[in-house]
Amino acid sequence: SQTIHQWPATLVQPVGSPLSLECTVEGTSNPNLYWYRQAAGRGLQLLFYSVGIGQISSEVPQNLSASRPQDRQFILSSKKLLLSDSGFYLCAWQGSSYEQYFGPGTRLTVT
Amino acid sequence: GDSVTQMEGPVTLSEEAFLTINCTYTATGYPSLFWYVQYPGEGLQLLLKATKADDKGSNKGFEATYRKETTSFHLEKGSVQVSDSAVYFCALFSGGYNKLIFGAGTRLAVHP
Repeated sequence: SQTIHQWPATLVQPVGSPLSLECTVEGTSNPNLYWYRQAAGRGLQLLFYSVGIGQISSEVPQNLSASRPQDRQFILSSKKLLLSDSGFYLCAWQGSSYEQYFGPGTRLTVT
Repeated sequence: GDSVTQMEGPVTLSEEAFLTINCTYTATGYPSLFWYVQYPGEGLQLLLKATKADDKGSNKGFEATYRKETTSFHLEKGSVQVSDSAVYFCALFSGGYNKLIFGAGTRLAVHP
């Protein structure tokens, strides 16, 4: 069966520090992968998606970037965090009927 | 563009009450439709789906029917439990944009 992992689960970082969040998927090959952010009490904002290794589409211009160095690995990064980057970050992979399966999320607090 | 509209919450019910959360959509073609549930502090879980008109998705006592004529996908449950307290998201897959379009979410609180 397929599983999706995210780490770390929680992170507290100072403004201006770098960020690296990792997502890995097991049990499926060449999935479409997605990064979302959810602000407190709000809906989901799609940040990036990838249809294959090295292929990244950005939905919202901001100080975040994404990379897909391996088929089942998706990384979200920032060189310098802003206070507004705080939120709950979710990674997802897409199934055969266009449904998406989400990881457990990373809660990021920028101080 | 494609969009999803959900009823605003919070929805507050007593245990064993009937639940309806309305969802309507705007899309070209016939998109796949989904309901997701998010429990506090967790990621989203796929609750049910329907991929074509008149399909009924069901899971854990929840049901939703894909109504093409009214462009709706309302979520229903006959008897809610305290453990159903969560945020529910309606979504459609937009083929034109190659992504899921989510509604704003509806918070459900069930009291004993």
